[in-house]
Formats: sequence, structure tokens, C-alpha cells
Amino acid sequence: AQTVTQSQPEMSVQEAETVTLSCTYDTSESNYYLFWYKQPPSRQMILVIRQEAYKQQNATENRFSVNFQKAAKSFSLKISDSQLGDTAMYFCASCKIQGAQKLVFGQGTRLTINP
Amino acid sequence: NAGVTQTPKFQVLKTGQSMTLQCAQDMNHEYMSWYRQDPGMGLRLIHYSVGAGITDQGEVPNGYNVSRSTTEDFPLRLLSAAPSQTSVYFCASSYWNRDTEAFFGQGTRLTVV
Repeated sequence: AQTVTQSQPEMSVQEAETVTLSCTYDTSESNYYLFWYKQPPSRQMILVIRQEAYKQQNATENRFSVNFQKAAKSFSLKISDSQLGDTAMYFCASCKIQGAQKLVFGQGTRLTINP
Repeated sequence: NAGVTQTPKFQVLKTGQSMTLQCAQDMNHEYMSWYRQDPGMGLRLIHYSVGAGITDQGEVPNGYNVSRSTTEDFPLRLLSAAPSQTSVYFCASSYWNRDTEAFFGQGTRLTVV
């Protein structure tokens, strides 16, 4: 069984600062994906970034990057130059390859960017 | 493209009432899933389907039924609503043999009183 844990229920930073959200996971799968989803007040689930476990290189999408430590089963999200629009709930999630119908989510971190 | 469409967006039910949450996708995705979101618990899988006519239980299936008669539609039925089913419900869909990414609907906020 897969488990995903986010130990930071809430975080708050000033606009333009860098913030890192933590996520740890456990899985018996040899091949899997890890994701960060953003949920703004509109409630829409938006994919921020995806990491294939077999790739050693950390994924990057503009101001968003991950620090994937496979041996430690850690998958943190770094947001650089944070913006007011980054204010949202952030969920870490995992699934096996070709298993996107069975995502396992963490508890979520509520991130507030202050002006 | 509409993507994944859920209806209704909000619903209030009385204990014991039944209702169906609708989910439709127009991306020809094989996989479809239902999740519920509760404070402090993230999203949890209720039921999922890997194709028309095939469904299976997720982590929290009790009190919910599903069926998948077409590729496009995956309704979630509450047979006898209970206050414990007050939650936000999300439908998601994805391909089985391409880049693993789930697309989500806008969610349904359900309150059972």
C-alpha cells in the first residue's frame, strides 16, 4: 500500500520569498509517479509538477521545482519568487505507473503568500 | 474541450435521502475515479473504473455505488445519505497508456443535514 504524508498543515511567507513544502511517502512499487497539486479557493485541482521515480533529475516547471530524494522517500516542492496567486492548498500525491485512477494523497498544506 | 464536468456544484440533502452525483468527460479517457475531500485528510479514493463495465472499490467505498455504462460517464450514487458523507467530491479521469496525469472536475460540495 502507498502512503503520503505532509507534516506542515499551514505555512505563510511574504511575497517574493522562497518557500519549501515537505512531503514523504512510502510505496512498495518499483516504478511510480509523484505529483504536487494546487487547489486555489476556486476548488479546482491543478497539476503543478510531476516526477517519474525512475528519473534522477529533479522536475522543474518555471518557479516550481522539486527535491526528489528516492532513498529517503522524500519529495519536497520549492516555490521561488512566490506570488499572491500561489496562495492555495497544496497536495502531494503518488501512484504507480499507469495507475492514475488510484492516486494517494497527502493531507495537504495550506500556503498563504502575504503582500 | 469541456474536460471533466461534474454536476451539481453544491447540494444539501436530508439524512436518508438518495442522490446521484454526475461526472462526464469528453477526452475519451479509459480511467475514471471518485474522491472525497475532508479537512485534514486530503483526498481519498471512493471508487474507480478502468473502462466501461468495470468498476472497483477504493479506500472509502461504504455508502456509495457506481456504474460505468459508457466511456464518458461515471455517476456516483448515495443510496441513503448520512451526515458523515458531508464532504467535497471530486471526479477525475486519465488515460491508461499515456503520460500518467489525472484531470479533475470542479468538485461538488455536499452537505447532509
